[in-house]
Amino acid sequence: EVQLVESGGVVVQPGGSLRLSCAASGFTFDDYTMHWVRQAPGKGLEWVSLISWDGGSTYYADSVKGRFTISRDNSKNSLYLQMNSLRTEDTALYYCAILGGDRPFDYWGQGTLVTVSS
Amino acid sequence: AIRMTQSPSSFSASTGDRVTITCRASQGISSYLAWYQQKPGKAPKLLIYAASTLQSGVPSRFSGSGSGTDFTLTISCLQSEDFATYYCQQYYSYPFTFGQGTRLEIK
Repeated sequence: EVQLVESGGVVVQPGGSLRLSCAASGFTFDDYTMHWVRQAPGKGLEWVSLISWDGGSTYYADSVKGRFTISRDNSKNSLYLQMNSLRTEDTALYYCAILGGDRPFDYWGQGTLVTVSS
Repeated sequence: AIRMTQSPSSFSASTGDRVTITCRASQGISSYLAWYQQKPGKAPKLLIYAASTLQSGVPSRFSGSGSGTDFTLTISCLQSEDFATYYCQQYYSYPFTFGQGTRLEIK
């Protein structure tokens, strides 16, 4: 069974930093591109970032470019999101996900809540 | 970034109704479009990918169509468990983008 379990969400002050983690199991982790998607309270989904299977390619939403860094450790079946210079508008539930695209292999974790507030 | 616009943003319907949700891309995305369903407190669930391919396990009352810039999600006969929020998402180019969502409520 595919499992994606996020952790690391806390309350942090504006300007602060935070690192989210996602532990993956039940599939061959290094076969897949991985994504972070977020959802502000009561709002819609916003794609945040992706990293290729080998970490060689990364992409970011304009809203987080230059502040967030995605990475992965295939030896630990883990995905990360380093979040710097946090803003109140970064407050959201952050999902780790495999977005299938043209393949039916599409899975999401349950999310970890990041709250940016003074 | 490609902008995805859904309509309507919300609407009410009754069990048994046929409903259609529209998604428009700001530029052509071929058939690189997915539809997700999200219920309160839950992660999104993939319904359709490649614009019209039904994900395994999804009831056949759901269908998708379109290509280029205009897409639709149709639910042929609404069931109580279908009341949720629906999102389209393009994966034609980075950054991937979602529509703003369509909230389907019980009339």
